[in-house]
Amino acid sequence: DTEVTQTPKHLVMGMTNKKSLKCEQHMGHRAMYWYKQKAKKPPELMFVYSYEKLSINESVPSRFSPECPNSSLLNLHLHALQPEDSALYLCASSQDWAGSSPLHFGNGTRLTVT
Amino acid sequence: AQRVTQPEKLLSVFKGAPVELKCNYSYSGSPELFWYVQYSRQRLQLLLRHISRESIKGFTADLNKGETSFHLKKPFAQEEDSAMYYCALGGRGAQKLVFGQGTRLTINP
Repeated sequence: DTEVTQTPKHLVMGMTNKKSLKCEQHMGHRAMYWYKQKAKKPPELMFVYSYEKLSINESVPSRFSPECPNSSLLNLHLHALQPEDSALYLCASSQDWAGSSPLHFGNGTRLTVT
Repeated sequence: AQRVTQPEKLLSVFKGAPVELKCNYSYSGSPELFWYVQYSRQRLQLLLRHISRESIKGFTADLNKGETSFHLKKPFAQEEDSAMYYCALGGRGAQKLVFGQGTRLTINP
């Protein structure tokens, strides 16, 4: 399996809801990432996990809470989001956490906050 | 600090014409450069990386450390090359991959 799988594909949530985005890879990659992508913009890094430990948090608001239950899974828990958080959320993985490892991206979850 | 500049937001060429997407970077360490491509309704995917020195789908890119550039080239554009292209910069000691703003390439028939 050489893909990163993200669920759900689409999510609509109200500002008081709690939801989670899920990401899975079975390539044996040791680094996993969450990116946020707005329309016509490049992906913006949110979090990096390396060997299941949070390595980078790019000053993301606490209403986004990442979790890495094991080396294959990555979750992003969402609570009390704002309409401006509506975006495409991309999960990615790489062989290791380094600026030299290519990223493998999932298809993303299209999130709409109402 | 890492910085990537893609000067062209939009680039339109005719089928069969040569295409060059520009990428300039700034990094104090040893850079690793990548080109990622996003076709319509497909995931963002790696096109090529400078250390591979290979041609993918007819595209090549050479790292020019003197000019701090990593331009993407193809001698004869095809309609299926229409996509969004991102140049990305990492490197030894870099904590993350930094993406340029992207260039939307349109190949006209």
